[in-house]
Amino acid sequence: ILNVEQSPQSLHVQEGDSTNFTCSFPSSNFYALHWYRWETAKSPEALFVMTLNGDEKKKGRISATLNTKEGYSYLYIKGSQPEDSATYLCALNTDKLIFGTGTRLQVFP
Amino acid sequence: NAGVMQNPRHLVRRRGQEARLRCSPMKGHSHVYWYRQLPEEGLKFMVYLQKENIIDESGMPKERFSAEFPKEGPSILRIQQVVRGDSAAYFCASSPLGTANSGNTIYFGEGSWLTVV
Repeated sequence: ILNVEQSPQSLHVQEGDSTNFTCSFPSSNFYALHWYRWETAKSPEALFVMTLNGDEKKKGRISATLNTKEGYSYLYIKGSQPEDSATYLCALNTDKLIFGTGTRLQVFP
Repeated sequence: NAGVMQNPRHLVRRRGQEARLRCSPMKGHSHVYWYRQLPEEGLKFMVYLQKENIIDESGMPKERFSAEFPKEGPSILRIQQVVRGDSAAYFCASSPLGTANSGNTIYFGEGSWLTVV
């Protein structure tokens, strides 16, 4: 069974701090790596779909990189804001999405 | 363009009853996926459907659970004779292309929370 690991499990940062978390996976045999942002009682919001080794994607203050050879992806948030508080999920697309358990980020004002 | 719509958002069923969860994909999407989140666990794949066809049901329990995506109307996840262990959040997702299309974004609904009492 393919295991997608995310670390840390939770993170508390001060407003303005930059932060990053990791998604690691054992396989290079997949179609894409997806990042989602998930707030309680809402639908997971698609952030990035990454397909190629060395891919870098950016959306405002959030960016992500993908290293398929070593099996990890990083998500970075620059200058965290309280509204960034959410659970960040990564998922490996191997013809179905296999999710990690997420990193719960809390940003304090 | 409305997002993925799921209903009901909350459903309470007594043990032994049937639960039906509905999912209307985004307009133009013919691929639908169901995921389940058990308490204290992550999202787990259940089934992948394309109009009128089940593509992959490897994550679905063999008994009591079924899914369909008819030519017209929403996708339905049906759970017969529910038990307490079925209590979970059930999420539907949709995409315009299949998962093998690598750049394909998969959009999620807000989930249906099933409580079995």
